[in-house]
Amino acid sequence: DTEVTQTPKHLVMGMTNKKSLKCEQHMGHRAMYWYKQKAKKPPELMFVYSYEKLSINESVPSRFSPECPNSSLLNLHLHALQPEDSALYLCASSQLDRANNEKLFFGSGTQLSVL
Amino acid sequence: AQSVTQLDSHVSVSEGTPVLLRCNYSSSYSPSLFWYVQHPNKGLQLLLKYTSAATLVKGINGFEAEFKKSETSFHLTKPSAHMSDAAEYFCVVSATNTGFQKLVFGTGTRLLVSP
Repeated sequence: DTEVTQTPKHLVMGMTNKKSLKCEQHMGHRAMYWYKQKAKKPPELMFVYSYEKLSINESVPSRFSPECPNSSLLNLHLHALQPEDSALYLCASSQLDRANNEKLFFGSGTQLSVL
Repeated sequence: AQSVTQLDSHVSVSEGTPVLLRCNYSSSYSPSLFWYVQHPNKGLQLLLKYTSAATLVKGINGFEAEFKKSETSFHLTKPSAHMSDAAEYFCVVSATNTGFQKLVFGTGTRLLVSP
């Protein structure tokens, strides 16, 4: 199994809603990532977890709350989002490797629209 | 700081002709460099990675890239374009050496392939 599975594929939410994005991998990867990709832009890193601990938070607003309940799952909890948060949210995973050349496996993303 | 610059936002080729997508990097140490491809409404797929073992790197689908330290370049090439190669291509550098990847993406090059 070399897949990163993201659900849902599409999500429409209002600014007062609470929703969660889910990501799952069964490759034994101990690093997991959330990226945000606006239309026609490159992906931007939001969060990195290594060994289920938050290692990087790229100054993301608190209305985005990540969670890594175990080594296979990564969630992104959303609350009180703004329309400008509409984007493709990509999850990825990788081995932890000091040589720093392990590739990331990306999911196909959740396309989020905030109304 | 690590960064990459993709010199062309769009490249148009005819099917069967060579492809050249240009990328220059900036790095304070020996970089880890990657090329990723993204087809419309899809996640990202690794094409190839530079690991310092060889300057000419072969990837999937007939793509290859050459690392040139003197020119700080990592251009992506393919001898003969296929229609299925039409996609967005990202040159990427890894900005950490702590085991997990902190990928910094270039702005992307959209490859258009005409019959």
